Amino acid sequence: EVQLVESGGVVVQPGGSLRLSCAASGFTFDDYTMHWVRQAPGKGLEWVSLISWDGGSTYYADSVKGRFTISRDNSKNSLYLQMNSLRTEDTALYYCAKDIYRGTYFDYWGQGTLVTVSS
Amino acid sequence: AIRMTQSPSSLSASTGDRVTITCRASQGISSYLAWYQQKPGKAPKLLIYAASTLQSGVPSRFSGSGSGTDFTLTISCLQSEDFATYYCQQYYSYPLSFGQGTKLEIK
Repeated sequence: EVQLVESGGVVVQPGGSLRLSCAASGFTFDDYTMHWVRQAPGKGLEWVSLISWDGGSTYYADSVKGRFTISRDNSKNSLYLQMNSLRTEDTALYYCAKDIYRGTYFDYWGQGTLVTVSS
Repeated sequence: AIRMTQSPSSLSASTGDRVTITCRASQGISSYLAWYQQKPGKAPKLLIYAASTLQSGVPSRFSGSGSGTDFTLTISCLQSEDFATYYCQQYYSYPLSFGQGTKLEIK
Protein backbone atom coordinates (compact mmCIF):
# COMPACT_ATOMS: atom_id res chain seq x y z
CA GLU A 1 0.00 0.00 0.00
CA VAL A 2 1.34 3.38 -1.03
CA GLN A 3 1.76 5.77 1.88
CA LEU A 4 2.94 9.36 1.88
CA VAL A 5 3.34 11.05 5.25
CA GLU A 6 4.20 14.72 5.40
CA SER A 7 5.70 16.49 8.40
CA GLY A 8 7.31 19.76 9.39
CA GLY A 9 4.42 22.17 9.15
CA VAL A 10 4.37 24.82 11.90
CA VAL A 11 3.58 28.45 12.54
CA VAL A 12 6.42 30.68 11.27
CA GLN A 13 6.90 34.40 11.00
CA PRO A 14 7.05 36.20 7.65
CA GLY A 15 10.57 36.05 6.28
CA GLY A 16 11.28 32.83 8.10
CA SER A 17 12.31 29.42 6.83
CA LEU A 18 10.94 25.92 7.13
CA ARG A 19 11.71 22.46 5.80
CA LEU A 20 8.92 20.03 5.00
CA SER A 21 9.48 16.30 4.72
CA CYS A 22 7.52 13.49 3.12
CA ALA A 23 8.19 9.85 3.99
CA ALA A 24 7.19 7.46 1.24
CA SER A 25 6.51 3.73 1.39
CA GLY A 26 4.76 1.00 -0.53
CA PHE A 27 6.36 1.67 -3.91
CA THR A 28 9.77 1.93 -5.50
CA PHE A 29 10.43 5.55 -4.59
CA ASP A 30 13.37 6.15 -6.91
CA ASP A 31 11.32 5.16 -9.97
CA TYR A 32 8.97 8.13 -9.73
CA THR A 33 8.82 11.88 -10.06
CA MET A 34 7.44 13.49 -6.90
CA HIS A 35 5.57 16.74 -6.29
CA TRP A 36 4.49 19.25 -3.71
CA VAL A 37 0.99 20.72 -4.11
CA ARG A 38 -0.54 23.23 -1.72
CA GLN A 39 -3.99 24.42 -0.78
CA ALA A 40 -4.60 27.67 1.05
CA PRO A 41 -7.43 27.53 3.61
CA GLY A 42 -10.75 27.39 1.79
CA LYS A 43 -9.08 27.72 -1.61
CA GLY A 44 -8.18 25.53 -4.55
CA LEU A 45 -5.16 23.41 -5.38
CA GLU A 46 -1.88 24.99 -6.48
CA TRP A 47 1.00 22.95 -7.85
CA VAL A 48 4.26 24.03 -6.19
CA SER A 49 7.17 21.95 -7.45
CA LEU A 50 8.34 18.64 -8.86
CA ILE A 51 11.57 16.66 -8.79
CA SER A 52 12.52 13.91 -11.19
CA TRP A 53 13.21 10.36 -10.06
CA ASP A 54 16.94 10.99 -9.77
CA GLY A 55 16.79 14.57 -8.56
CA GLY A 56 18.33 15.76 -11.80
CA SER A 57 15.38 17.91 -12.88
CA THR A 58 13.29 20.28 -10.82
CA TYR A 59 10.50 22.69 -11.69
CA TYR A 60 8.73 25.35 -9.66
CA ALA A 61 5.64 27.50 -9.75
CA ASP A 62 6.45 31.14 -10.43
CA SER A 63 5.02 32.03 -7.02
CA VAL A 64 7.78 30.11 -5.20
CA LYS A 65 10.68 30.20 -7.64
CA GLY A 66 13.85 31.43 -5.99
CA ARG A 67 12.45 30.91 -2.49
CA PHE A 68 11.62 27.19 -2.32
CA THR A 69 13.91 24.24 -3.08
CA ILE A 70 12.70 20.70 -3.64
CA SER A 71 15.00 17.77 -3.00
CA ARG A 72 14.90 14.04 -2.36
CA ASP A 73 16.94 11.33 -0.69
CA ASN A 74 16.24 8.06 -2.46
CA SER A 75 18.23 6.12 0.14
CA LYS A 76 15.70 7.28 2.73
CA ASN A 77 12.59 7.22 0.51
CA SER A 78 12.07 10.85 1.42
CA LEU A 79 11.05 14.07 -0.31
CA TYR A 80 11.76 17.55 1.03
CA LEU A 81 10.73 21.15 0.49
CA GLN A 82 13.01 23.89 1.83
CA MET A 83 10.96 27.04 2.15
CA ASN A 84 12.76 30.37 2.61
CA SER A 85 11.61 34.01 2.71
CA LEU A 86 8.13 32.86 3.68
CA ARG A 87 5.19 35.16 3.02
CA THR A 88 1.70 35.23 4.49
CA GLU A 89 0.38 34.00 1.13
CA ASP A 90 2.39 30.78 1.57
CA THR A 91 0.00 29.76 4.34
CA ALA A 92 -1.48 26.47 3.16
CA LEU A 93 -1.81 22.74 3.61
CA TYR A 94 1.14 21.25 1.75
CA TYR A 95 0.60 17.88 0.10
CA CYS A 96 3.25 15.48 -1.08
CA ALA A 97 2.04 13.71 -4.22
CA LYS A 98 3.36 10.81 -6.25
CA ASP A 99 3.46 11.13 -10.01
CA ILE A 100 2.16 8.31 -12.14
CA TYR A 101 5.63 8.13 -13.59
CA ARG A 102 7.67 11.02 -14.95
CA GLY A 103 6.06 14.40 -14.39
CA THR A 104 2.41 14.47 -15.30
CA TYR A 105 -0.41 13.88 -12.84
CA PHE A 106 -0.81 12.47 -9.36
CA ASP A 107 -2.10 9.07 -8.37
CA TYR A 108 -1.37 9.17 -4.64
CA TRP A 109 -1.42 12.01 -2.15
CA GLY A 110 -0.46 12.38 1.50
CA GLN A 111 -2.77 13.95 4.04
CA GLY A 112 -0.83 17.19 4.09
CA THR A 113 1.05 19.29 6.62
CA LEU A 114 -0.14 22.78 7.55
CA VAL A 115 2.18 25.74 7.21
CA THR A 116 1.00 29.00 8.75
CA VAL A 117 2.95 32.17 8.08
CA SER A 118 1.91 34.81 10.55
CA SER A 119 3.41 37.39 12.86
CA ALA B 1 1.72 29.46 -18.11
CA ILE B 2 -1.48 27.67 -19.05
CA ARG B 3 -4.58 28.89 -17.25
CA MET B 4 -7.36 26.41 -16.51
CA THR B 5 -10.88 27.76 -16.03
CA GLN B 6 -13.72 25.62 -14.71
CA SER B 7 -17.42 26.30 -14.90
CA PRO B 8 -19.55 26.52 -13.00
CA SER B 9 -17.74 27.35 -9.76
CA SER B 10 -20.56 25.72 -7.84
CA LEU B 11 -23.45 23.51 -8.76
CA SER B 12 -26.50 22.25 -6.88
CA ALA B 13 -27.97 18.92 -7.90
CA SER B 14 -29.98 16.01 -6.57
CA THR B 15 -29.16 12.35 -6.18
CA GLY B 16 -29.81 10.63 -9.48
CA ASP B 17 -29.16 13.72 -11.59
CA ARG B 18 -26.72 13.87 -14.47
CA VAL B 19 -24.21 16.71 -14.12
CA THR B 20 -21.51 18.11 -16.33
CA ILE B 21 -18.54 20.25 -15.32
CA THR B 22 -16.53 22.12 -17.93
CA CYS B 23 -12.81 22.90 -17.95
CA ARG B 24 -11.22 25.22 -20.50
CA ALA B 25 -7.49 25.64 -21.11
CA SER B 26 -6.02 28.97 -22.18
CA GLN B 27 -4.16 27.16 -24.97
CA GLY B 28 -4.33 23.73 -26.54
CA ILE B 29 -3.24 20.88 -24.29
CA SER B 30 -4.14 17.92 -26.51
CA SER B 31 -5.56 15.31 -24.09
CA TYR B 32 -3.15 16.00 -21.24
CA LEU B 33 -5.86 16.55 -18.66
CA ALA B 34 -6.72 14.92 -15.35
CA TRP B 35 -9.73 15.25 -13.06
CA TYR B 36 -9.71 14.96 -9.27
CA GLN B 37 -12.37 14.72 -6.58
CA GLN B 38 -11.79 16.26 -3.16
CA LYS B 39 -13.99 15.82 -0.11
CA PRO B 40 -13.75 18.11 2.93
CA GLY B 41 -10.70 17.40 5.06
CA LYS B 42 -9.36 14.83 2.60
CA ALA B 43 -6.66 14.73 -0.03
CA PRO B 44 -7.71 14.84 -3.68
CA LYS B 45 -8.44 11.58 -5.46
CA LEU B 46 -7.58 10.93 -9.10
CA LEU B 47 -10.68 10.15 -11.19
CA ILE B 48 -9.68 10.51 -14.84
CA TYR B 49 -6.47 11.00 -16.81
CA ALA B 50 -5.71 11.52 -20.47
CA ALA B 51 -9.00 13.43 -20.60
CA SER B 52 -11.17 10.31 -20.75
CA THR B 53 -9.44 7.32 -19.13
CA LEU B 54 -11.00 6.21 -15.88
CA GLN B 55 -8.57 5.55 -13.04
CA SER B 56 -8.75 2.02 -11.66
CA GLY B 57 -11.50 1.65 -9.07
CA VAL B 58 -13.45 4.75 -10.09
CA PRO B 59 -17.15 4.05 -10.77
CA SER B 60 -18.25 4.02 -14.40
CA ARG B 61 -20.82 6.76 -13.78
CA PHE B 62 -17.85 9.15 -14.09
CA SER B 63 -16.71 9.99 -17.60
CA GLY B 64 -14.50 12.56 -19.25
CA SER B 65 -14.25 13.94 -22.73
CA GLY B 66 -12.59 16.62 -24.80
CA SER B 67 -9.29 17.59 -26.33
CA GLY B 68 -7.48 20.74 -27.27
CA THR B 69 -8.92 23.46 -25.06
CA ASP B 70 -12.36 22.23 -23.98
CA PHE B 71 -13.05 19.35 -21.62
CA THR B 72 -15.96 17.97 -19.64
CA LEU B 73 -16.44 15.75 -16.62
CA THR B 74 -19.84 14.06 -16.48
CA ILE B 75 -21.39 12.16 -13.60
CA SER B 76 -24.26 10.17 -15.07
CA CYS B 77 -26.31 9.38 -11.98
CA LEU B 78 -25.27 11.28 -8.88
CA GLN B 79 -24.79 9.31 -5.70
CA SER B 80 -24.61 10.81 -2.22
CA GLU B 81 -20.86 10.16 -2.06
CA ASP B 82 -20.27 12.26 -5.19
CA PHE B 83 -20.98 15.58 -3.49
CA ALA B 84 -17.52 17.08 -3.36
CA THR B 85 -15.26 19.57 -5.12
CA TYR B 86 -13.83 18.67 -8.51
CA TYR B 87 -10.63 19.97 -10.09
CA CYS B 88 -9.15 19.66 -13.54
CA GLN B 89 -5.38 19.73 -14.05
CA GLN B 90 -3.30 20.11 -17.19
CA TYR B 91 -0.02 18.30 -17.64
CA TYR B 92 0.80 19.47 -21.15
CA SER B 93 3.51 21.81 -19.92
CA TYR B 94 5.20 23.17 -16.82
CA PRO B 95 4.18 24.81 -14.63
CA LEU B 96 1.43 22.28 -14.03
CA SER B 97 -1.85 23.99 -13.26
CA PHE B 98 -5.30 23.30 -11.83
CA GLY B 99 -8.68 24.79 -12.43
CA GLN B 100 -10.17 26.75 -9.56
CA GLY B 101 -12.55 23.94 -8.64
CA THR B 102 -16.26 23.19 -8.93
CA LYS B 103 -18.15 22.55 -5.72
CA LEU B 104 -20.99 20.10 -6.22
CA GLU B 105 -23.63 20.51 -3.54
CA ILE B 106 -26.85 18.75 -2.66
CA LYS B 107 -29.97 20.61 -3.79
